[in-house]
Amino acid sequence: DAGVTQSPTHLIKTRGQQVTLRCSPKSGHDTVSWYQQALGQGPQFIFQYYEEEERQRGNFPDRFSGHQFPNYSSELNVNALLLGDSALYLCASSLLGQRNYGYTFGSGTRLTVV
Amino acid sequence: GNSVTQMEGPVTLSEEAFLTINCTYTATGYPSLFWYVQYPGEGLQLLLKATKADDKGSNKGFEATYRKETTSFHLEKGSVQVSDSAVYFCALSAAYGNNRLAFGKGNQVVVIP
Repeated sequence: DAGVTQSPTHLIKTRGQQVTLRCSPKSGHDTVSWYQQALGQGPQFIFQYYEEEERQRGNFPDRFSGHQFPNYSSELNVNALLLGDSALYLCASSLLGQRNYGYTFGSGTRLTVV
Repeated sequence: GNSVTQMEGPVTLSEEAFLTINCTYTATGYPSLFWYVQYPGEGLQLLLKATKADDKGSNKGFEATYRKETTSFHLEKGSVQVSDSAVYFCALSAAYGNNRLAFGKGNQVVVIP
């Protein structure tokens, strides 16, 4: 049983460019959340998708957007990249309503903005 | 809002030593509490959890007890191994409303042979 799969694992972008990160949730999970982890920090919540809609959003600008597809997979898009967007982006999946079970995380995408 | 505070700084200890990592939280009601571990170059793995007061979560020799009176969830292990070297994050999920995870800053644990 595959866990959460993220792609790509690493990428380098130039300031001002746009990037798309992808996530396939664990089998049986219907909810996908995205987190940003800056170097040496704990993950910060970006947003959560359920039934193809954004349900919750953290304190991130509109440059960060997302999408969820009918098969529950998800994309994170970041426009007009800034140097400060360099981070590890983590995708986490869960089953809606089962908040006590925790989340299953992917290995992340390491984004470097130069 | 909900928040988690972890003790400052990395933790360096010798193999077979006792490990404690402090975690306190601020939240309304009874949140669910978690410890996640991150090995070098990897994502987060759920280590253990507790969902109500006085619950003890345990896994792989690690333990943490949900203390409502002190709003704490300290992680302990009696005898660490080199393979326990990793970053450990304390996190909470609110009792009601949104179920996003709020993380502490993490603690780097280095176990020396």
